[in-house]
Amino acid sequence: AQSVAQPEDQVNVAEGNPLTVKCTYSVSGNPYLFWYVQYPNRGLQFLLKYITGDNLVKGSYGFEAEFNKSQTSFHLKKPSALVSDSALYFCAVRDEEGGYNKLIFGAGTRLAVHP
Amino acid sequence: GAGVSQSPSNKVTEKGKDVELRCDPISGHTALYWYRQSLGQGLEFLIYFQGNSAPDKSGLPSDRFSAERTGGSVSTLTIQRTQQEDSAVYLCASSLRTPPAQYFGPGTRLTVL
Repeated sequence: AQSVAQPEDQVNVAEGNPLTVKCTYSVSGNPYLFWYVQYPNRGLQFLLKYITGDNLVKGSYGFEAEFNKSQTSFHLKKPSALVSDSALYFCAVRDEEGGYNKLIFGAGTRLAVHP
Repeated sequence: GAGVSQSPSNKVTEKGKDVELRCDPISGHTALYWYRQSLGQGLEFLIYFQGNSAPDKSGLPSDRFSAERTGGSVSTLTIQRTQQEDSAVYLCASSLRTPPAQYFGPGTRLTVL
């Protein structure tokens, strides 16, 4: 069965330090992977996606993600965290069995960046 | 241009009442999705519309849930005889046919008393 796992409910980082939010996936075939961010009382905002090409994908707000096929991972990273990055982050993968336009989301990881 | 809009932003209703939630997708986006986000949970897919094709209703949790998309644009999600477990944030998203990067609205927070 297809799935997305975000193993950490919460990640705590000091401002200025690098951050990593983990995501692993399980799909049949080549994955289409996404990261979204949700600020309080807001909808989800698209950050970045991997479809093909370079394993390091750059997105909005200085975020990037590294696709690792052998580890079936797509971890979100940022070299220097900001307090304003504090939010809920969702990893998602395209549903390869149910019609290609549906996304399967992870449970989310809450990022807290402390001053 | 304008993003995805949803109304109302908040809805409080009594158990057993019907509710309608509205979504206006981004102009030109042919695909429209409804998701449900319960407290502390990820996103649960509900239904997907693509152009004039029959909708994918595989995520609807019960026959109390239905959705329409009129004229290939605005969509309404209807929940009949609401139950307390229906309380959640209902998110709408739209996308171009491909690639499937979805753009989300701000959501409707539904509270069933």
